[in-house]
Amino acid sequence: NAGVTQTPKFRVLKTGQSMTLLCAQDMNHEYMYWYRQDPGMGLRLIHYSVGEGTTAKGEVPDGYNVSRLKKQNFLLGLESAAPSQTSVYFCASRWGRVTEAFFGQGTRLTVV
Amino acid sequence: KNEVEQSPQNLTAQEGEFITINCSYSVGISALHWLQQHPGGGIVSLFMLSSGKKKHGRLIATINIQEKHSSLHITASHPRDSAVYICAVVGSGNQFYFGTGTSLTVIP
Repeated sequence: NAGVTQTPKFRVLKTGQSMTLLCAQDMNHEYMYWYRQDPGMGLRLIHYSVGEGTTAKGEVPDGYNVSRLKKQNFLLGLESAAPSQTSVYFCASRWGRVTEAFFGQGTRLTVV
Repeated sequence: KNEVEQSPQNLTAQEGEFITINCSYSVGISALHWLQQHPGGGIVSLFMLSSGKKKHGRLIATINIQEKHSSLHITASHPRDSAVYICAVVGSGNQFYFGTGTSLTVIP
């Protein structure tokens, strides 16, 4: 039982490059989230999904896209990376609204 | 605006001390979570509360819904408790609101 797995764990991008972060969960959770964590700030929601085939914008969605084609996977795409997107990205999932949340190990992304 | 406020931001304690971290929130909630993050590491859920008190080993979490306040207590603190502790609340929608975290260092 792997829980929530994020790939990759580290990545360095050049400005303007694109990439996709993968979040995979094996707990049959409906809700999945992508957050970014920056120094001195709480986790901020980028996008989320309440089920397969659904996505919604969070607090800081600009510059990111997401897809949830399969229930177990939630993909976060950076279309044209910018230095302001240098951050640690966390994926989370949970079964329902009032249930325990499980987090991935994080992806440390640096855009130069 | 910060829906969730934590205090203190930083805390240093001697091994064995009793530690309290506080969380106040301003929105209506369906649940409150306490999370732990070790340096450079992932985030682990410690507790989920909607009322009362929960205990797990040396950790105790309480919540007062009327006062919109929660506390996380660590008894007999140990250096391995050194981490960032994050309070998060589940609002009326599907989203979490997170505090900025309390950085705890326990000195041997």
